Amino acid sequence: EDQVTQSPEALRLQEGESSSLNCSYTVSGLRGLFWYRQDPGKGPEFLFTLYSAGEEKEKERLKATLTKKESFLHITAPKPEDSATYLCAVQAVWNNNDMRFGAGTRLTVKP
Amino acid sequence: NAGVTQTPKFRVLKTGQSMTLLCAQDMNHEYMYWYRQDPGMGLRLIHYSVGEGTTAKGEVPDGYNVSRLKKQNFLLGLESAAPSQTSVYFCASSYPLRGADTQYFGPGTRLTVL
Repeated sequence: EDQVTQSPEALRLQEGESSSLNCSYTVSGLRGLFWYRQDPGKGPEFLFTLYSAGEEKEKERLKATLTKKESFLHITAPKPEDSATYLCAVQAVWNNNDMRFGAGTRLTVKP
Repeated sequence: NAGVTQTPKFRVLKTGQSMTLLCAQDMNHEYMYWYRQDPGMGLRLIHYSVGEGTTAKGEVPDGYNVSRLKKQNFLLGLESAAPSQTSVYFCASSYPLRGADTQYFGPGTRLTVL
């Protein structure tokens, strides 16, 4: 069965303190791996899609990378406005209508 | 573009009552989805639709029904609400691509069943 595990569950950083969030996955043929940001009381907001091992994508202070077993979301010099829950999800080749989500990492950036 | 909208935003039901959640999208997307999100768990797919007039079961379909009579709308129904259905419900939509389909989410409906 396709599974996604995110770690840590929660992460507290000081402003400017870089770190990484992990997403480990098992899927029977990866169609795509997604990263979303979710603010409290809001719906998930799309950040990145990664399709194959070795691929990297960047947006402002965020960079997502992908291997055959995991993805990392690197946050460089975070700011308080980066505080949110970050969700990882995978979509399998055999079923592009079913996206399996991890439970998320709740990031808090203190000024 | 409003994107994906959901009504209502909040609802409190008593056990056994019924209700319908409405999702609307103005992006002309073919696919639409209903998820539930519970504390400590990832989003779980309830039902989905790949086009007007079609629906299919997701990971946790029991106790829910859906309908897609118009391309832009996707309705989620609870016929007899149970406390276990207390959750935040999200609707999403996507356009089928050769690669992975990016899903775009609505703001959610917080449902409490007493």
